[in-house]
Amino acid sequence: GAVVSQHPSWVICKSGTSVKIECRSLDFQATTMFWYRQFPKQSLMLMATSNEGSKATYEQGVEKDKFLINHASLTLSTLTVTSAHPEDSSFYICSATSGTAGGVNQPQHFGDGTRLSIL
Amino acid sequence: GNSVTQMEGPVTLSEEAFLTINCTYTATGYPSLFWYVQYPGEGLQLLLKATKADDKGSNKGFEATYRKETTSFHLEKGSVQVSDSAVYFCALSGAGTASKLTFGTGTRLQVTL
Repeated sequence: GAVVSQHPSWVICKSGTSVKIECRSLDFQATTMFWYRQFPKQSLMLMATSNEGSKATYEQGVEKDKFLINHASLTLSTLTVTSAHPEDSSFYICSATSGTAGGVNQPQHFGDGTRLSIL
Repeated sequence: GNSVTQMEGPVTLSEEAFLTINCTYTATGYPSLFWYVQYPGEGLQLLLKATKADDKGSNKGFEATYRKETTSFHLEKGSVQVSDSAVYFCALSGAGTASKLTFGTGTRLQVTL
């Protein structure tokens, strides 16, 4: 089945530093990747949608200068949390999809998530 | 807009019990419907899907039928195991939304011996 690798799985860093999270589709071409944030015992909140080679589309209320997304190839997207602060601590999950086939939306395949803790 | 409503958890069952997790949706057109499962500390895994009315998705003993007349996609399993303990998310992908998912709030399932 489709595999999405997310790295790192866990990161702890000091307040004010920037953290980069990578999301790779290992066995398919991901035309679209999504970044989510999940608070404890809550559902996933979509942060942004990125299409290969174009600027990401951010959801309302998500700071694009705070959460930089790059989708430079069909297999890699990165999320950089800039100048991270304790309130940015969360579980970040990426997903990838090959888009639409035969008029049907293809499923999103998720990474295992990155637990970010800002001290 | 699109929305998904799931039954609130947690749901606690004994091993081998029958499971039903209700899910209803609101969407325009003909969405695709999904169930995802999240084990502790992990991302989401696609459990099953259905892309048109009356389709039945099934996997690992779980199944759900796309009911357009009742706008529902209830998840069922005849005999749960301890290893099924996880959070289950119902989701839909609206037509023409480039696979963008709308999630329900998730239902935590705890299966005990």
